[in-house]
Amino acid sequence: DAKTTQPPSMDCAEGRAANLPCNHSTISGNEYVYWYRQIHSQGPQYIIHGLKNNETNEMASLIITEDRKSSTLILPHATLRDTAVYYCIVRVILNTGFQKLVFGTGTRLLVSP
Amino acid sequence: KAGVTQTPRYLIKTRGQQVTLSCSPISGHRSVSWYQQTPGQGLQFLFEYFSETQRNKGNFPGRFSGRQFSNSRSEMNVSTLELGDSALYLCASSLLVRETQYFGPGTRLLVL
Repeated sequence: DAKTTQPPSMDCAEGRAANLPCNHSTISGNEYVYWYRQIHSQGPQYIIHGLKNNETNEMASLIITEDRKSSTLILPHATLRDTAVYYCIVRVILNTGFQKLVFGTGTRLLVSP
Repeated sequence: KAGVTQTPRYLIKTRGQQVTLSCSPISGHRSVSWYQQTPGQGLQFLFEYFSETQRNKGNFPGRFSGRQFSNSRSEMNVSTLELGDSALYLCASSLLVRETQYFGPGTRLLVL
């Protein structure tokens, strides 16, 4: 079962910041939060990940609350090409030491002109 | 550096047949995971391979199997195809286990 909940859809105007929320209230101390996006049934594209601290890369920023129960992905200047389904994922570490990404249903972001 | 490649990209089979899908990971990546994506169930984990050994398996029947070769390339096989096996099959590779996974474009399988 997915350990995250996201709103099913969001709208954003082109050029504005898109803020995508995610709740992960049952996250464990050593579990990372990952964000991927999927554009029209292509393979999911990695965006960013984090454990405790806020993270930023060339694509986005990730803000994780201090209690780690929620996070927000920020696309600073959304473009039409950012229209996609965004998945917030908690990376589960199995008792074998290996990982598993458990995908939820994601947020469908529509960026409009 | 080239990304994850999957072949074929599209495939049509009939019920009862078997199918083999191929995945070439990013150069230097040693872990390969497979996922199934359907409209009804979303993205679901199938299995992960590392050092030619299956390390973890999702909740799928034994008709789904895979293997990994010494060059880290991986194949998955589905035997006795059912209509419900129609899906987008995605392969993801990571440098090592517990590293970021990068996905390929997927193989879209249609079972008639």
